[in-house]
Amino acid sequence: NAGVTQTPKFQVLKTGQSMTLQCAQDMNHNSMYWYRQDPGMGLRLIYYSASEGTTDKGEVPNGYNVSRLNKREFSLRLESAAPSQTSVYFCASSGIGDWYYEQYFGPGTRLTVT
Amino acid sequence: DQQVKQNSPSLSVQEGRISILNCDYTNSMFDYFLWYKKYPAEGPTFLISISSIKDKNEDGRFTVFLNKSAKHLSLHIVPSQPGDSAVYFCAATNSHTGTASKLTFGTGTRLQVTL
Repeated sequence: NAGVTQTPKFQVLKTGQSMTLQCAQDMNHNSMYWYRQDPGMGLRLIYYSASEGTTDKGEVPNGYNVSRLNKREFSLRLESAAPSQTSVYFCASSGIGDWYYEQYFGPGTRLTVT
Repeated sequence: DQQVKQNSPSLSVQEGRISILNCDYTNSMFDYFLWYKKYPAEGPTFLISISSIKDKNEDGRFTVFLNKSAKHLSLHIVPSQPGDSAVYFCAATNSHTGTASKLTFGTGTRLQVTL
């Protein structure tokens, strides 16, 4: 049981390049989330998917797109990377029932845009 | 507009003593609160939570207190251990906003437990 996995762990992009961050969970969770963490800013929600087939914007969606490929996988795409998108990106998932509000996080992707 | 605030960026406590981490919130619609712990190069991990119908929740060495009138919560760690050294994030949500648990996080407090 791997929990939430993210690839890649590290990535360096040049301004204007595109890339997709991959996330998968094996806990049969309905909801999945993408956050970014910047120094002094905490974690900010980029996009989320309440269930398979739905996606919604979070607090900081500009410059990103997402795809909920199936129940397990939720990807984050940067179409034209900018230096302001240099950050650590975390994917998370949450289930139902008693543990509904508790999100389980992946190890993160450290992205640098030069 | 920071709806969840952790005003102390860092805290240093001696091993065996009590660590108290504080969190304030401004959104009166928040009714469920969580604490996460984060080690370097890892994702945050859930630590403890509290619903607004309670004012205290305890789990081993960790206790969370909620003061709704002051919009303030605190995490107490007793006794503190070196392995508790990490960044602690406070998070809050409104449980009536649909099927996803959209959490709003504070900026974190770095706890260092010294020998």
